[in-house]
Amino acid sequence: SQQGEEDPQALSIQEGENATMNCSYKTSINNLQWYRQNSGRGLVHLILIRSNEREKHSGRLRVTLDTSKKSSSLLITASRAADTASYFCATGHGANSKLTFGKGITLSVRP
Amino acid sequence: DTAVSQTPKYLVTQMGNDKSIKCEQNLGHDTMYWYKQDSKKFLKIMFSYNNKELIINETVPNRFSPKSPDKAHLNLHINSLELGDSAVYFCASSRGSPQETQYFGPGTRLLVL
Repeated sequence: SQQGEEDPQALSIQEGENATMNCSYKTSINNLQWYRQNSGRGLVHLILIRSNEREKHSGRLRVTLDTSKKSSSLLITASRAADTASYFCATGHGANSKLTFGKGITLSVRP
Repeated sequence: DTAVSQTPKYLVTQMGNDKSIKCEQNLGHDTMYWYKQDSKKFLKIMFSYNNKELIINETVPNRFSPKSPDKAHLNLHINSLELGDSAVYFCASSRGSPQETQYFGPGTRLLVL
């Protein structure tokens, strides 16, 4: 399966701490995306990183991509209770094929 | 203004019934999708249309039939509903390629009794 696999499956941290989530995949990608899903809501796009990029930032989010290890990490700095959500990585493989989502990581940020 | 909207938000129905879910996007995107999210939050693509043409058709029972009357709308009709169809169904859209950023609707929670 080309599906990305996130780890850990669940993460619980204290407000103010950093949260690091990882995603690994099996076949070469065109890009990798991270999405957030709050409880009872649709997915919201966070960041897209292309296969020729190594790092991207967006506010408190930092995404890295290591194509040699076929892995990506999402770092949320100075976490807030509002960051409590499920986080999914999604990978694009081949030409114009579907986006494949991982199973998600449940992040709980304790106030 | 809601970018991707779905109706209804909740759908409770009996086994064997036929139901439809509607989706509309006002982003001017060319590509739309239907996803199914199960109780373990696993998100699986079902269909995708680009400019009213079917471009992704995953292994889905024939009871599910998408219809795109224009590029801003993608509806999902489900015949003879089964218990296993209970899930959250998400509509999404992207500007062009399925690998571009996708914008999701709020979801339709379907419960088959």
